[in-house]
Amino acid sequence: NAGVTQTPKFQVLKTGQSMTLQCAQDMNHEYMSWYRQDPGMGLRLIHYSVGAGITDQGEVPNGYNVSRSTTEDFPLRLLSAAPSQTSVYFCASSYRRLAGELFFGEGSRLTVL
Amino acid sequence: GDSVTQMEGPVTLSEEAFLTINCTYTATGYPSLFWYVQYPGEGLQLLLKATKADDKGSNKGFEATYRKETTSFHLEKGSVQVSDSAVYFCALSDLSAGSARQLTFGSGTQLTVLP
Repeated sequence: NAGVTQTPKFQVLKTGQSMTLQCAQDMNHEYMSWYRQDPGMGLRLIHYSVGAGITDQGEVPNGYNVSRSTTEDFPLRLLSAAPSQTSVYFCASSYRRLAGELFFGEGSRLTVL
Repeated sequence: GDSVTQMEGPVTLSEEAFLTINCTYTATGYPSLFWYVQYPGEGLQLLLKATKADDKGSNKGFEATYRKETTSFHLEKGSVQVSDSAVYFCALSDLSAGSARQLTFGSGTQLTVLP
């Protein structure tokens, strides 16, 4: 089972560049989300989706866009990268009826210079 | 709003020592509580959960009891192993908050177990 797959695992960007972090899950989960992990701050929710065509903002959405055209995929877009977006990003998914029981990808480490 | 407070690390123990990682929470409703574990270079994995007061979650020798009176969900293990070295996150999901699928995480506690 592939579970939740994130790509790329590592990325270095210059300020102002754009990029997309990819996330795919093969468990037919309705719920998908993106978190960022920063030292001493735990995980903070960026955006989430409860199903195809439905997205909503989390705690720290500024500077990020998402879309959910299929159940399987939930890409995260950085339109104009800033050094403050240097972080480790995690995609997660779950069944809607099992709130809180998330399956995480392995993470994507992003550095913005 | 909801919040989770964990004991600050890092925590360093010898193999076979007793482990306690403290976690307290603030929530407006009746949250479910979770412990997640993150091994080096990996994503988080669900370790255990409890959905109502006095429930005890357990897995891989770890236990945590949902204490509503003290708003706590402390993680314990009687005898740690080197393979338990990881970062542990306490989290809550508040069903009454309107966004049941959102988790609020603590800041994480780094555990290192020495042979």
